[in-house]
Amino acid sequence: DVKVTQSSRYLVKRTGEKVFLECVQDMDHENMFWYRQDPGLGLRLIYFSYDVKMKEKGDIPEGYSVSREKKERFSLILESASTNQTSMYLCASSFLRGATQDTQYFGPGTRLTVL
Amino acid sequence: AQTVTQSQPEMSVQEAETVTLSCTYDTSESNYYLFWYKQPPSRQMILVIRQEAYKQQNATENRFSVNFQKAAKSFSLKISDSQLGDTAMYFCAFAAGGTSYGKLTFGQGTILTVHP
Repeated sequence: DVKVTQSSRYLVKRTGEKVFLECVQDMDHENMFWYRQDPGLGLRLIYFSYDVKMKEKGDIPEGYSVSREKKERFSLILESASTNQTSMYLCASSFLRGATQDTQYFGPGTRLTVL
Repeated sequence: AQTVTQSQPEMSVQEAETVTLSCTYDTSESNYYLFWYKQPPSRQMILVIRQEAYKQQNATENRFSVNFQKAAKSFSLKISDSQLGDTAMYFCAFAAGGTSYGKLTFGQGTILTVHP
């Protein structure tokens, strides 16, 4: 079974703090994604990566950055957390680069609260 | 840019009955895929079913089937013989073909509650 894990289920941070959200997948997937989930808005893509050290902006990249130094690990960074970044963050991975139809496998999510 | 709309925020159904969740989308792409994902309470999101736009035949997976109306840009999910374990939030999603890397555009979600 594919396993996608996220470093924390719940996180509380202060405004202005630098926040790291970690995601690890164990199935040698090429693609990895970061989404945020908000009520009434569904999931929105923040960033994705199709290879080590490669990254592409999604629909809402402002205020975020990412890092992919190893194939299995994809980190989301909030350089200076703000209250409007309070949300559920979901990581996902899929097998083949360019394989649009591939299933995305999701992690359990990190509920981030910024005070 | 693509948009996906789910107009039913919440739905409920009795166990063993059939329910249909609606989804519409807008795109100028000719090659794309559509998906339904399920997010059970406090559990990870999983794929329920996928449909390739170039296939006219509607996809089915056991009790789950879709009604894909390409001209109307409609993609509804039918759940037959509903079970308590079907209680979840359901998301409709779109992925453009070509070099999109499988990026998904999601709808707003529909919370489905199955009552005993």
